[in-house]
Amino acid sequence: DTGVSQDPRHKITKRGQNVTFRCDPISEHNRLYWYRQTLGQGPEFLTYFQNEAQLEKSRLLSDRFSAERPKGSFSTLEIQRTEQGDSAMYLCASSFVETNEKLFFGSGTQLSVL
Amino acid sequence: AQTVTQSQPEMSVQEAETVTLSCTYDTSESDYYLFWYKQPPSRQMILVIRQEAYKQQNATENRFSVNFQKAAKSFSLKISDSQLGDAAMYFCAYRLMNSGNTPLVFGKGTRLSVIA
Repeated sequence: DTGVSQDPRHKITKRGQNVTFRCDPISEHNRLYWYRQTLGQGPEFLTYFQNEAQLEKSRLLSDRFSAERPKGSFSTLEIQRTEQGDSAMYLCASSFVETNEKLFFGSGTQLSVL
Repeated sequence: AQTVTQSQPEMSVQEAETVTLSCTYDTSESDYYLFWYKQPPSRQMILVIRQEAYKQQNATENRFSVNFQKAAKSFSLKISDSQLGDAAMYFCAYRLMNSGNTPLVFGKGTRLSVIA
């Protein structure tokens, strides 16, 4: 296993378009997190899953954002009707619940909304 | 709400020298974790070191050590014998230690440059 992988690494889109990102966690990890990181800031929590259940969502996650983890493995994060303020790096992380404090991060998807 | 403050946006250090990155946090809780993460240009966040708040002994990982002052809510990272590969963004982070799940709260980061 090579760690947490995210696809794509970069996404450029026009305002108003929908985008979807994918995250593949480390295979035995049952928790999966999404964070957003804007320039000059640390990552901010968006949402997390334990297996296929989405257990918590941040107030940062507007109605235009939806995340899924249908089979408790990979996850997708969709942003509808993108806005320029959505431009950021979207980070995925995973952990095994028994050692929850150890998060392993992917390399992120950099979104640019023109 | 918990907050994490890193007051040094940028730091630089000569190769082989020692540098200390500062972090303070605000919480009313007594049981929590503190972390330092490194984010190199590859963008992947890498865990450098972790400290449990109930432990009085400062954590150490090879050239990386922390100075954890619980009463002062301070958690600084010391990097000894700095190497060129240490150049990166460093983020201090906090998480409650409880039976549920609370997300990591990150500071804004410190950009560390290592001068050859």
